[in-house]
Amino acid sequence: DVKVTQSSRYLVKRTGEKVFLECVQDMDHENMFWYRQDPGLGLRLIYFSYDVKMKEKGDIPEGYSVSREKKERFSLILESASTNQTSMYLCASSFGGAGGEQFFGPGTRLTVL
Amino acid sequence: QKEVEQNSGPLSVPEGAIASLNCTYSDRGSQSFFWYRQYSGKSPELIMSIYSNGDKEDGRFTAQLNKASQYVSLLIRDSQPSDSATYLCAVNRAAGNKLTFGGGTRVLVKP
Repeated sequence: DVKVTQSSRYLVKRTGEKVFLECVQDMDHENMFWYRQDPGLGLRLIYFSYDVKMKEKGDIPEGYSVSREKKERFSLILESASTNQTSMYLCASSFGGAGGEQFFGPGTRLTVL
Repeated sequence: QKEVEQNSGPLSVPEGAIASLNCTYSDRGSQSFFWYRQYSGKSPELIMSIYSNGDKEDGRFTAQLNKASQYVSLLIRDSQPSDSATYLCAVNRAAGNKLTFGGGTRVLVKP
């Protein structure tokens, strides 16, 4: 079974803090994704990576950056957290190639005070 | 027009009945279609994938795809209270690896 893990289930941070969200997958997937999910707005893609050190902006990259130094690990960074970044953050991974099935981690509920 | 559209529901069905969920998409180049189930407070779980026109059955679930009409549907037979969840339709973007998700349909199965 594909396993995608995320470093924290719940996180509370203060405005202006630098926040790191970590995601690890154990299926040797080429692609990894970061989404946020908000009521009424659905799942929105922040960034994705199709290979080590490769990244591509998603639909809402502003205020975020990412890092992928190893194939199994994909990090989302909030350089200076703001209250409007309070959300559920979901990591997913898939095999390379177009249109593959994505498998999600358990999610991190981030609250920025 | 949203790229992937679903009725938000709630879709209320009695236990044992068939739940029918619909999804329409706008990108004619899309080739891969997925249904995810998401329980409240949990992450989406993949339940069905479909790539060619017609029906695909997996247990109590049947996915139906009609590319000419640009819709994909999910049938849940013999609905159980444990099927109460939000169901997300996802469609690949023709240009590559990314998926576009619909807003989800909330299903309530009443005993």
